[in-house]
Amino acid sequence: GNSVTQMEGPVTLSEEAFLTINCTYTATGYPSLFWYVQYPGEGLQLLLKATKADDKGSNKGFEATYRKETTSFHLEKGSVQVSDSAVYFCALSVNYGQNFVFGPGTRLSVLP
Amino acid sequence: DGGITQSPKYLFRKEGQNVTLSCEQNLNHDAMYWYRQDPGQGLRLIYYSQIVNDFQKGDIAEGYSVSREKKESFPLTVTSAQKNPTAFYLCASSGLGSGAKNIQYFGAGTRLSVL
Repeated sequence: GNSVTQMEGPVTLSEEAFLTINCTYTATGYPSLFWYVQYPGEGLQLLLKATKADDKGSNKGFEATYRKETTSFHLEKGSVQVSDSAVYFCALSVNYGQNFVFGPGTRLSVLP
Repeated sequence: DGGITQSPKYLFRKEGQNVTLSCEQNLNHDAMYWYRQDPGQGLRLIYYSQIVNDFQKGDIAEGYSVSREKKESFPLTVTSAQKNPTAFYLCASSGLGSGAKNIQYFGAGTRLSVL
């Protein structure tokens, strides 16, 4: 079946530290991959996406590269800010959107 | 502005009462979804619909019901059979197709509590 695995949280970093949140997936066919962010008390917002192998999604200083050979889509940011504190969800979609799977989420706390 | 509107933002349910959560989208999306999120947890799929007048159970459909009479609307009813309804409920919608069409977009959520 289709599944997404994320690193366990919570992740606590100091401001300006480097961030990596690991995400690996299992899927039939050729999935599209996504990172969503959820701020406290809000819905999920799309952060970035990649639709085919070797694509790099980027937004607001965050990046993730679709690695088919390692079935991974790790989220990175070079210098985190306090305002990046949130829960981050990795997700995949197959069959042109008919099957959507979310990972369990990783809570990030950035300290000033 | 195009988007997904969930209402109300906060809802309280008494014992034995059914309550309905509203979800409306003006994105012309074919598919709509309801998720439940418990504190510190991920998303669990309750129901989804890919076309008007048709919907499918997700992983935790017991104690919930939905309808899809219009493309824009996908209300969720939390029935009295749902014994632990306190949670954050998220509605989402997406197009169906390749590339950007299959992105899910989310509403701001409804927080349901039991009195």
